[in-house]
Amino acid sequence: AQSVSQHNHHVILSEAASLELGCNYSYGGTVNLFWYVQYPGQHLQLLLKYFSGDPLVKGIKGFEAEFIKSKFSFNLRKPSVQWSDTAEYFCAVKRNTGFQKLVFGTGTRLLVSP
Amino acid sequence: DSGVTQTPKHLITATGQRVTLRCSPRSGDLSVYWYQQSLDQGLQFLIQYYNGEERAKGNILERFSAQQFPDLHSELNLSSLELGDSALYFCASSVATGGGSNAGELFFGEGSRLTVL
Repeated sequence: AQSVSQHNHHVILSEAASLELGCNYSYGGTVNLFWYVQYPGQHLQLLLKYFSGDPLVKGIKGFEAEFIKSKFSFNLRKPSVQWSDTAEYFCAVKRNTGFQKLVFGTGTRLLVSP
Repeated sequence: DSGVTQTPKHLITATGQRVTLRCSPRSGDLSVYWYQQSLDQGLQFLIQYYNGEERAKGNILERFSAQQFPDLHSELNLSSLELGDSALYFCASSVATGGGSNAGELFFGEGSRLTVL
């Protein structure tokens, strides 16, 4: 079964710092990859997704992620974070065949100090 | 607003009791997913339904059951509750569940926070 690893459980940054959150998955076949964000007290929202094509995916709010197949990675990046980016970020993977569940990583809590 | 509605938002009950959590998916979405989020386990997939039929099962305990009704709303039943069942239970919905560009894009409700005392 596929699994997802997020190496950073807690990240603290100052505003304007650059962000990179790591995500690795364990499935060798074709996958769909996602980053979701959960702001404090809110539900999960989709930040961006990768299905095929350009491995550099741009999402909402200035976020982007790069799919590196050889490394089984899908790291999330933002050049300059804002206080409002304080949230929990979840990487997720789904096999691209039939009825497959979406498997989430354990999440990374990001705290951006003003 | 994701369009997914969950009730109740908060629920406090005692060990040994039974509760039912309800989810109404986005209009037009056929797939419903249930996830459990706890501090120590993260976001765990429980079960998925597609147009009334169970399609995938995750780490769902035997004390838990779910169903999706003809009107596509879903209920998650939790019985013989234990302290460790305290968690945030999320429902999500999606248009489809196979491959393709929309597959896997889940829309989440705000969750039902269950506290077992």
